[in-house]
Amino acid sequence: GAVVSQHPSWVICKSGTSVKIECRSLDFQATTMFWYRQFPKQSLMLMATSNEGSKATYEQGVEKDKFLINHASLTLSTLTVTSAHPEDSSFYICSALQGRDEQYFGPGTRLTVT
Amino acid sequence: DAKTTQPNSMESNEEEPVHLPCNHSTISGTDYIHWYRQLPSQGPEYVIHGLTSNVNNRMASLAIAEDRKSSTLILHRATLRDAAVYYCILSPNNNDMRFGAGTRLTVKP
Repeated sequence: GAVVSQHPSWVICKSGTSVKIECRSLDFQATTMFWYRQFPKQSLMLMATSNEGSKATYEQGVEKDKFLINHASLTLSTLTVTSAHPEDSSFYICSALQGRDEQYFGPGTRLTVT
Repeated sequence: DAKTTQPNSMESNEEEPVHLPCNHSTISGTDYIHWYRQLPSQGPEYVIHGLTSNVNNRMASLAIAEDRKSSTLILHRATLRDAAVYYCILSPNNNDMRFGAGTRLTVKP
């Protein structure tokens, strides 16, 4: 099946700093990628939909200036958490869409903001 | 968004079949029924999906009620590696996946 990777798998950063998370589709081209956030013992919540070469579409309640998404190529999307705070600590998961196939999810990135 | 209802948790014995139910009484005619599972500290994994007819793949079977208001994911022989949270999601396409609480499956040896 299609493989999606994320880097880093975990990151610890200090409050007020920014952190970038990469999502790559390794063996297919993804015109659409998605970013989810998952807090402990909760389900995944869709944050934004990212289309290659265009601006991301953010879900209601997600600050687009805080969570910067760039989908510059068909195999790479990045999520930058700007001015991170402890409440941004979460498990961030991306997924990529291969044509009309299912979404393929990355392994997730655990962000801890101290 | 069409909603789904799943039991919070289920238990199964290893090597026995598991039937995971999902109710979706407000499903629309264009909604596909998708099942994903998530192991601890991992991203979700695609399991199976269907529209009207029952579906089988190497991982599981999906039984869809005739009125499409419910469906059942069937794991034919549960293994310890099947312990996960299973999500039933309705979506007319693959662009809009909204995850509910899912069912936490525990497999006992």
